[in-house]
Amino acid sequence: EVQLVESGGGLVKPGGSLRLSCAASGFTFSSYSMNWVRQAPGKGLEWVSSISSSSSYIYYADSVKGRFTISRDNAKNSLYLQMNSLRAEDTAVYYCARDGYGDYLLDYWGQGTLVTVSS
Amino acid sequence: DIQMTQSPSSLSASVGDRVTITCRASQGISNSLAWYQQKPGKAPKLLLYAASRLESGVPSRFSGSGSGTDYTLTISSLQPEDFATYYCQQYYSTLGTFGQGTKVEIK
Repeated sequence: EVQLVESGGGLVKPGGSLRLSCAASGFTFSSYSMNWVRQAPGKGLEWVSSISSSSSYIYYADSVKGRFTISRDNAKNSLYLQMNSLRAEDTAVYYCARDGYGDYLLDYWGQGTLVTVSS
Repeated sequence: DIQMTQSPSSLSASVGDRVTITCRASQGISNSLAWYQQKPGKAPKLLLYAASRLESGVPSRFSGSGSGTDYTLTISSLQPEDFATYYCQQYYSTLGTFGQGTKVEIK
């Protein structure tokens, strides 16, 4: 069974940093591109970042470019999102999601981890 | 960036009703269109992709159609478990964008 479990969320002050993790199991992690998608409270879905299976291709939404860094460790079946210079508008549930078809189609999602940026 | 516009933003319907949700892209996306269902407090779930292909395990009452810039999700006979928010997503371009969502509520 495919499982994605996020961790690392919490309350952080504006300008602070946080590192999210996503532990993957039940599939060959190293064969799939992975993504972070976020959802602000009561709002819609926003794609944050994507990383290819071998980390050769990395993309960021304009809203986080230069502040967030996506990475992965295929030996540990883990995906990460380093978030720096956090702003109030980064407050959201952050989901880890697998690209199951190699086309930015997200076939499995984690349960999400809440990041709250507030003073 | 490709913008995705869903309509309506919300609707009220009864069990057994036929429900249609529309998604329009700001440019042609060559059927690179997916639909997701999200229930409160849960992660989104992939329902359809390539505009009309049903993801494994999804009931056949869900269907999709469309081409070019205009796409439709249809639920042929709404069931109690279908009350949720539905999102379209284009994956024609890198970092596919989502529509703003359509909340399907009980009438």
